[in-house]
Amino acid sequence: KNEVEQSPQNLTAQEGEFITINCSYSVGISALHWLQQHPGGGIVSLFMLSSGKKKHGRLIATINIQEKHSSLHITASHPRDSAVYICAAVNYGGSQGNLIFGKGTKLSVKP
Amino acid sequence: DTEVTQTPKHLVMGMTNKKSLKCEQHMGHRAMYWYKQKAKKPPELMFVYSYEKLSINESVPSRFSPECPNSSLLNLHLHALQPEDSALYLCASSLLGAVEKLFFGSGTQLSVL
Repeated sequence: KNEVEQSPQNLTAQEGEFITINCSYSVGISALHWLQQHPGGGIVSLFMLSSGKKKHGRLIATINIQEKHSSLHITASHPRDSAVYICAAVNYGGSQGNLIFGKGTKLSVKP
Repeated sequence: DTEVTQTPKHLVMGMTNKKSLKCEQHMGHRAMYWYKQKAKKPPELMFVYSYEKLSINESVPSRFSPECPNSSLLNLHLHALQPEDSALYLCASSLLGAVEKLFFGSGTQLSVL
């Protein structure tokens, strides 16, 4: 069992739908990153959070430390949101930069 | 300037070639990273350079060697690679360490023939 699990693996939505991607982890963490990767490779950091909730535009990320669970929500989804979304945990006490990555969620938003 | 610049974007090399990948940032970040990503897999950490100290993932073969000429540059030298080394190589940086926002370059798509 991976230390960081994401669900679903694949997600297809219609434009305008509310989307939720989940991330569960089994190790103690200092923080958790949500990353977006478009076809072609470039990765964009969406959020880095260690508690509570963060919002940026149509994106919302939450984390529940007690339940070891984080969610990424996209409101009013748009085809340009189509990408792979990856959560990555910063292992508490682990070596610097050695993030524990989830396997990613491939999101396709249809017009 | 909030960019991490990687060059080249694409590289094709033979198994006997020597090449280098370059990564540069001018954000004053003190931590820089090289990751390897195979298709449909998450990135894997290869090297970390933080506060002038290089940390190595011991599973990385010696045919990959990092070099940090200064705090803004992190190069990855490639020598005698194997076809299985074909992958996307991503560079990233952060202000101090992994508990900071990460900035990624657009990657170098490497093919080893």
